[in-house]
Amino acid sequence: GQQLNQSPQSMFIQEGEDVSMNCTSSSIFNTWLWYKQDPGEGPVLLIALYKAGELTSNGRLTAQFGITRKDSFLNISASIPSDVGIYFCAGQRGGYGGATNKLIFGTGTLLAVQP
Amino acid sequence: SQTIHQWPATLVQPVGSPLSLECTVEGTSNPNLYWYRQAAGRGLQLLFYSVGIGQISSEVPQNLSASRPQDRQFILSSKKLLLSDSGFYLCAWSPFGGAINEQFFGPGTRLTVL
Repeated sequence: GQQLNQSPQSMFIQEGEDVSMNCTSSSIFNTWLWYKQDPGEGPVLLIALYKAGELTSNGRLTAQFGITRKDSFLNISASIPSDVGIYFCAGQRGGYGGATNKLIFGTGTLLAVQP
Repeated sequence: SQTIHQWPATLVQPVGSPLSLECTVEGTSNPNLYWYRQAAGRGLQLLFYSVGIGQISSEVPQNLSASRPQDRQFILSSKKLLLSDSGFYLCAWSPFGGAINEQFFGPGTRLTVL
């Protein structure tokens, strides 16, 4: 199935550093979502974006919906060891509700934080 | 509040045996339901989705099938498992209608086919 291009594939950083990752597509999306997955668990929704140019924060996390509707960015400030995990972007083309709620996922960014 | 359950949490099955994974959602009505498979901790592949009881859409041809016998119950099945069916299976739900498009995932089932 189709997947979004997500980069970087992996990051190994020191505690306290800031992190940036992005997701790009050749198609326009109406919704961008960012998830975090801990080992052996289901992904947890971090941030949802619904408007082009929208910038939304959730604690130390900030995500932006690209102006072109073809990309999104996630930043993590002052990383801590519990930020370790795989981060996925997901895009959705459809409108509200119904069968068009299908998500297309990015390939994931593996984040490792060294204390 | 809404919760989503999956069981079993882990499963080891021999090749050729049948499979039944169950997913249930609490605290919401008429949700959209989804089955995903994740290999090696990366890349979520959508297998099936359902917008109502008895309504199943398949995304990829495979050795698996899905059923929705009740509004908040979604079952993933196979008559004969293959080695390639091993993976981490995730169920997810999203609200039907309205302005919310987020999907919420269950804890997953780790399936190993030997």
